[in-house]
Amino acid sequence: KNEVEQSPQNLTAQEGEFITINCSYSVGISALHWLQQHPGGGIVSLFMLSSGKKKHGRLIATINIQEKHSSLHITASHPRDSAVYICAVSNFGNEKLTFGTGTRLTIIP
Amino acid sequence: EAGVAQSPRYKIIEKRQSVAFWCNPISGHATLYWYQQILGQGPKLLIQFQNNGVVDDSQLPKDRFSAERLKGVDSTLKIQPAKLEDSAVYLCASSLGLGRNSPLHFGNGTRLTVT
Repeated sequence: KNEVEQSPQNLTAQEGEFITINCSYSVGISALHWLQQHPGGGIVSLFMLSSGKKKHGRLIATINIQEKHSSLHITASHPRDSAVYICAVSNFGNEKLTFGTGTRLTIIP
Repeated sequence: EAGVAQSPRYKIIEKRQSVAFWCNPISGHATLYWYQQILGQGPKLLIQFQNNGVVDDSQLPKDRFSAERLKGVDSTLKIQPAKLEDSAVYLCASSLGLGRNSPLHFGNGTRLTVT
């Protein structure tokens, strides 16, 4: 069993839909990261959080430490949101990141 | 603020050849990471530096991979000799440093194809 599990693996939605991507982890963490990777592109850090909720534009990230679960939400989705979204957790001490396998999101106009 | 710079952007080599990748982290970032991302998978940490010291290289195939960060700034990752299974994107990332719990900043990666 992977330490970081994401669901769904693939998600296709119509433009304007509300999107939710889930991440569960099985180890103690110092922080959880949501990352975005476009085809052929580098990785962009969207959020780093250790409790509660963060919002940036149309993106919202939440984390429940007790349940070891985080969600990434996209409101009013747009085709430019199409990308792979990766959840990663960092350990205490060396802050080594453990990555999930990613969720491939496709938004259809 | 300038981002993490990596070069080359793409590299195609034959198996058993050697290759080197270069990374220039964000100025002032003490921690530097090299990740390998095989198509369809999440990134795998190869090596983590704190300044010019190695923090974690447990997943680095040391018989063929080497990395250095001599002056605690730029870093190079070398593969010698390359194998077909080394075909991947090699990502460099940097952060402020251990204990700072700061976000990682990634470069655009180097896409390596071994034929």
